[in-house]
Amino acid sequence: GQSLEQPSEVTAVEGAIVQINCTYQTSGFYGLSWYQQHDGGAPTFLSYNALDGLEETGRFSSFLSRSDSYGYLLLQELQMKDSASYFCAVRSYSGNTGKLIFGQGTTLQVKP
Amino acid sequence: SQTIHQWPATLVQPVGSPLSLECTVEGTSNPNLYWYRQAAGRGLQLLFYSVGIGQISSEVPQNLSASRPQDRQFILSSKKLLLSDSGFYLCAFKTGVDYGYTFGSGTRLTVV
Repeated sequence: GQSLEQPSEVTAVEGAIVQINCTYQTSGFYGLSWYQQHDGGAPTFLSYNALDGLEETGRFSSFLSRSDSYGYLLLQELQMKDSASYFCAVRSYSGNTGKLIFGQGTTLQVKP
Repeated sequence: SQTIHQWPATLVQPVGSPLSLECTVEGTSNPNLYWYRQAAGRGLQLLFYSVGIGQISSEVPQNLSASRPQDRQFILSSKKLLLSDSGFYLCAFKTGVDYGYTFGSGTRLTVV
């Protein structure tokens, strides 16, 4: 089967750096994605890692280690608006299509 | 530009009543389409996905069904709703060149 593990909650202060970890078990792994979801809203795509290493997009960076089945999302210079839930998601292939399987999400609370 | 429309935003339905949620995509052709459900405070559970007209794959056996009568239209249905069908239903699409999924704004369904 497929499973993803990430912490349920993380708290940090404005301006700080926070790392949200994700470990996964899946077959046919093609990549690890991260999504942000504000309360009551739809998830929005943040980043995608198919290869090992770090991908940087502004204040957000995402890392993948395929050999360790592990990745993380790094948020720098935290702002109050970063308070949201963050989901890691594994892209796997079954038959002729890709599927995105989500973790349970990490609720990030940014305090002033 | 590519957009996705999902309606209604909220819905309150009695147990045993039918359900029909519609999702349409604009600005692209032959997208992969997905229905997800999210329970309160939880991750996203993949319900159905479709790679083309009339092609539906079910991920979780349940009280729901999906149909794709047109290339950019995806419908989620139920003949008789159960209390356990309550949740936040999200439609999403992905094109071949995208890494991320684009989600609709969701339908919050409460079965009473």
